[in-house]
Amino acid sequence: QSALTQPASVSGSPGQSITISCTGTSSDVGAYNYVSWYQQHPGKAPQLMIYEVTNRPSGVSNRFSGSKSGNTASLTISGLQAEDEADYYCSSYTGRSTAVVFGGGTKLTVL
Amino acid sequence: EVQLVESGGGLIQPGGSLRLSCAASGLTFTNYWMHWVRQAPGKGLVWVSRINSAGSITGYADSVKGRFTISRDNAKNTLYLQMKSLRAEDTAVYYCVREGTRVEFDYWGQGTLVTVSS
Repeated sequence: QSALTQPASVSGSPGQSITISCTGTSSDVGAYNYVSWYQQHPGKAPQLMIYEVTNRPSGVSNRFSGSKSGNTASLTISGLQAEDEADYYCSSYTGRSTAVVFGGGTKLTVL
Repeated sequence: EVQLVESGGGLIQPGGSLRLSCAASGLTFTNYWMHWVRQAPGKGLVWVSRINSAGSITGYADSVKGRFTISRDNAKNTLYLQMKSLRAEDTAVYYCVREGTRVEFDYWGQGTLVTVSS
């Protein structure tokens, strides 16, 4: 199972908005609405930010939003803050025995 | 508060075996599918294995199939990953993860580092 495709890096200034894409196939992202996004700060465990394409867990800022079109999901962060600087990973259910596939990760730099 | 605490990592020679454990608390362990996800140093997240709530259904990434075995002891609220024939490329932090109701990974342990090296 190939990893989902994410840009290696994105950057933005405080207050701006950025979008991270996550491209899969018709067997994973395109087939199911079980796309999640995770934030990981250096040396820390990942944290769930978005699940089921658009849903935010309790406690996650509404500056984080998700969407999907076809085989590509997206994470948008609005009103960038310094604390948003981290690695972001998407994941999708695959419906196969391999179950879940992650994207390669995107490093977000807040300028 | 849900807590997942991994243990059992360490330095192991190529070809060796290791068993990871994950002690779960603050949740009804028997209600959830559980997973192992790993992250090689400086690299991204990679899904490794999963097990259903009863322990009767398992799944593995192709890279570990036949070498790793996931299991659970619901009486002890503990998840395991038995790893054998370890290779240098298995070097990673291994995370124990709870799957929520929408195939999301809503709780993660702190991770345990496995280093395969001679």
